[in-house]
Amino acid sequence: DAGVIQSPRHEVTEMGQEVTLRCKPISGHDYLFWYRQTMMRGLELLIYFNNNVPIDDSGMPEDRFSAKMPNASFSTLKIQPSEPRDSAVYFCASETRHREFGSDEQFFGPGTRLTVL
Amino acid sequence: RKEVEQDPGPFNVPEGATVAFNCTYSNSASQSFFWYRQDCRKEPKLLMSVYSSGNEDGRFTAQLNRASQYISLLIRDSKLSDSATYLCVVKGHYGQNFVFGPGTRLSVLP
Repeated sequence: DAGVIQSPRHEVTEMGQEVTLRCKPISGHDYLFWYRQTMMRGLELLIYFNNNVPIDDSGMPEDRFSAKMPNASFSTLKIQPSEPRDSAVYFCASETRHREFGSDEQFFGPGTRLTVL
Repeated sequence: RKEVEQDPGPFNVPEGATVAFNCTYSNSASQSFFWYRQDCRKEPKLLMSVYSSGNEDGRFTAQLNRASQYISLLIRDSKLSDSATYLCVVKGHYGQNFVFGPGTRLSVLP
């Protein structure tokens, strides 16, 4: 398995532009998480899905952020409009919690480094 | 108070030294505990789970004290390749999510 795949790896955009981050979880994983990491705030959970359904989006900073998971193999995190304070590394992670073969481990993608000018 | 707190670091130690990291958590209902490692500009990766009886993996030893809500990680005979940020992670009951600590940065010097 290729692990969690994220794209793009780097994104530089100007304030006000729309940004879309993409994630492909590990096949068979039923949980998908979006995190944001900054030096000041560390790793923050933004939203997570279970079986493609958003369960908790309380970490989403504001209405400019939205996330979707149209199927088990794809999720997007969109920022519209983007602002300089959104500059961070955005990680996607996946996990399976199946009692028989779940390992209780979250697997992270390589992250998308976003810079908003 | 943050849910998971760690030594702020950074820790700068010479090769071969023994170094210990501490972590405290506030939710007494927490059930699972982990140490993740994050290299510079990389994603976090599981280093080891932490069990109630304590567990060891080569040069790494993890301890859990539920009564004090305290977790530790001991690294013996540290190597240059151990330089990274170590994240303490706490999880509640089945179905709850991970809570990551802020991390402690370790630099092992030649």
